[in-house]
Amino acid sequence: DAKTTQPPSMDCAEGRAANLPCNHSTISGNEYVYWYRQIHSQGPQYIIHGLKNNETNEMASLIITEDRKSSTLILPHATLRDTAVYYCIVRVAMDSSYKLIFGSGTRLLVRP
Amino acid sequence: DSGVTQTPKHLITATGQRVTLRCSPRSGDLSVYWYQQSLDQGLQFLIQYYNGEERAKGNILERFSAQQFPDLHSELNLSSLELGDSALYFCASSEYNEQFFGPGTRLTVL
Repeated sequence: DAKTTQPPSMDCAEGRAANLPCNHSTISGNEYVYWYRQIHSQGPQYIIHGLKNNETNEMASLIITEDRKSSTLILPHATLRDTAVYYCIVRVAMDSSYKLIFGSGTRLLVRP
Repeated sequence: DSGVTQTPKHLITATGQRVTLRCSPRSGDLSVYWYQQSLDQGLQFLIQYYNGEERAKGNILERFSAQQFPDLHSELNLSSLELGDSALYFCASSEYNEQFFGPGTRLTVL
């Protein structure tokens, strides 16, 4: 019951920007968009999250469309170590808490 | 290093057995989450505890149970194990918005 759709795989050249798209057309007004990545079988690593506004941190930028039905994660200068599976997640509220529903993710390959 | 620790790293056992996976959250984090990652199901949320109390439940089987202790570490108990329970089990902890994941326990049921 993932609420997001991502391309299964993408690649980009080292040093170039990697733009990873995500569709979340059924997102509700108070649901956040989160991005995590998983390198090999390590624990998922938090990247960034946002609600309406674009966000930037030391790892990446998150661009959310005005209607909030899609978003793009931007890795400005991809390196070989950025090769990983990237998950776009909608954080779903549950009573007094929330849960992250992981979809299939996008496998990003950064080429030398 | 996320600051979340999980033991053991690997566990091999037989069908019908019972195992306990352990998780120590980051210092100060009150919430602990458990996830299962298998090849055919992806990452599935199992259960969340907050300061010792169950807070949210996901796709957790009745054969599985968890608890969080006063020192905030958590244990996931898996019983009557089946071949299909073979998977990576992750725990995560959080204070506010970000969940920090541990390195996982790889369970193999033979």
